[in-house]
Amino acid sequence: ETGVTQSPTHLIKTRGQQVTLRCSSQSGHNTVSWYQQALGQGPQFIFQYYREEENGRGNFPPRFSGLQFPNYSSELNVNALELDDSALYLCASSRTGTGVDEQYFGPGTRLTVT
Amino acid sequence: KQEVTQIPAALSVPEGENLVLNCSFTDSAIYNLQWFRQDPGKGLTSLLLIQSSQREQTSGRLNASLDKSSGRSTLYIAASQPGDSATYLCAVIGASGSRLTFGEGTQLTVNP
Repeated sequence: ETGVTQSPTHLIKTRGQQVTLRCSSQSGHNTVSWYQQALGQGPQFIFQYYREEENGRGNFPPRFSGLQFPNYSSELNVNALELDDSALYLCASSRTGTGVDEQYFGPGTRLTVT
Repeated sequence: KQEVTQIPAALSVPEGENLVLNCSFTDSAIYNLQWFRQDPGKGLTSLLLIQSSQREQTSGRLNASLDKSSGRSTLYIAASQPGDSATYLCAVIGASGSRLTFGEGTQLTVNP
């Protein structure tokens, strides 16, 4: 197991609601990335945070937003939920600056939008 | 735009077989390549990471190779076991950033 934790494990929301997902990075890591994985597909990059600043964003609308805190933990917020937002949301932490950037994933949060 | 393809999409083999999973990517300017394992409904477990300057990495029964110029990587699993049954994902990090671009995975079933 990695030292990356995510909460909650799963949740069910209604279309139009807002949701916040949380991620605690592995000790010593300064970078957190978020991915969305739809059923049967590979994960898609949402965005990355490095030292509390957004450091790259994938092809996701602005209603997907995030934060990174001084302890390098992170939140993913999704507003105005749509049915297509139903997916496994994965958080990965890494240590930028080592020249390797190996990413370690948490167990994920399963979001179901009805 | 980087695209990653994995072949085959699914593979079923008897226990004990050696097997090869394939991964190809369109932009050879990568920083590194990672192979992951994913059990149903679970997160990703990193198996092997190959830096762009390396040709292969080994861990136990797993061996991953990288041919950056041709945009290909293979994951070799020796003496497969039922516990190896999972989805295997290949992902690359481009030279310009730290985002992983994933393939859609190979679903492996090892039959006892």
